[in-house]
Amino acid sequence: QLQLQESGPGLVKPSQTLSLTCTVSGGSISVSSYFWTWIRQPAGKGLEWIGRIHTSGSTNYNASLASRLTISMDKSKNQFSLQLSSVTAADTAVYFCARQRPVVTRPFDYWGQGTLVTVSS
Amino acid sequence: SYVLTQPPSVSVAPGQTARITCGGNNIGDKSVHWYQLKPGQAPVLVMYDNVDRPSGIPERVSGSNSGSTATLIISRVEVGDEAEYHCQVWDTESDQRVFGGGTKLSVL
Repeated sequence: QLQLQESGPGLVKPSQTLSLTCTVSGGSISVSSYFWTWIRQPAGKGLEWIGRIHTSGSTNYNASLASRLTISMDKSKNQFSLQLSSVTAADTAVYFCARQRPVVTRPFDYWGQGTLVTVSS
Repeated sequence: SYVLTQPPSVSVAPGQTARITCGGNNIGDKSVHWYQLKPGQAPVLVMYDNVDRPSGIPERVSGSNSGSTATLIISRVEVGDEAEYHCQVWDTESDQRVFGGGTKLSVL
């Protein structure tokens, strides 16, 4: 059974960089063709797609975050990561990692349980 | 940009049927997916492509999609169904994955 687990600091200061890692177990992120995705949910709001990285290493980002966002992959550790720079209180949210088959209409079929990141001084 | 509209909350008694709607312009032309979110747990895909259930999702969970409204239907509701439910589509025009605002299902 595929499992995803987010990890990283729960508190980040304004203007600093938010860094999270998603560790995948029960399957290899480099064997099959998938999109490895980040999604977030601010308190009391809906889900927001942040961006994704394909098994090949290619990336796609939410246009509203693209200037501050980097998603990368470490196949040797079976992990992928998110870095969001110049954070503000608006970036406070629960951050999820998820998997999507490489067709845009496909759903997110496996998710991590999420990690709360608070941006505050 | 494409907008999906969900009611903030739906309440039903155990054993009754819950209908959670997701409204969008011509959403009937799109594939709608539904996710169940519970605090501290990984979200679960409970319906995909409007009417298809992933393995492990009970038959009492069904879906429909026509015109401007997609609906997730949970029959014989149980206390364990209490959760947030979020709909999602891919918008071709903006090439964006779009989520609804989520609906909190309360089992009275």
